[in-house]
Amino acid sequence: SQKIEQNSEALNIQEGKTATLTCNYTNYSPAYLQWYRQDPGRGPVFLLLIRENEKEKRKERLKVTFDTTLKQSLFHITASQPADSATYLCALVPFSGGYNKLIFGAGTRLAVHP
Amino acid sequence: GAVVSQHPSRVICKSGTSVKIECRSLDFQATTMFWYRQFPKQSLMLMATSNEGSKATYEQGVEKDKFLINHASLTLSTLTVTSAHPEDSSFYICSARDPGTAADTIYFGEGSWLTVV
Repeated sequence: SQKIEQNSEALNIQEGKTATLTCNYTNYSPAYLQWYRQDPGRGPVFLLLIRENEKEKRKERLKVTFDTTLKQSLFHITASQPADSATYLCALVPFSGGYNKLIFGAGTRLAVHP
Repeated sequence: GAVVSQHPSRVICKSGTSVKIECRSLDFQATTMFWYRQFPKQSLMLMATSNEGSKATYEQGVEKDKFLINHASLTLSTLTVTSAHPEDSSFYICSARDPGTAADTIYFGEGSWLTVV
């Protein structure tokens, strides 16, 4: 069956450390993969996108890697801050579906402590 | 930047009544909008794709007669939950793609909390 899995347990880290979140998928062929931030009771906010032929993408303190062999994407936040505390969602876009269909993982909650 | 707005942000309705949620693209025209539902601590589940000027495309398991979608203009899609029941209580989120940007730029609304009592 098709699955997108993110660690359901909250990730607690100390301010200043690097947070690493994992997204694994099964039985999908993603054209690309996106990461979103979602705060409680709010809609998702787009952070980064990485295509299937890209290994790594960076944006300020954020870095995303994509390993299509392992079927895994890692999302890193360096020099983390308490304001980074939120739920982070990965979403893939399969080659089928006209590149419009986003399939989301359940998200991982990150808590950055001062 | 592009913004997608939803209204209302919260609504409470009685069981058996219908409720309408609006999704607007504020500074771009969206030929396609998407409606998601999210239960607490769960992922966003795509319900349907709303196409301007034509019928919506529903995902498997979503009742089209219960969740009516109308995309009458390039900036507005509406989701009407008909004959609502308590199990329809959820967080409903819309998104839209800005055709003036890269094909992969999708913007989400702030979401609408529906509580059916």
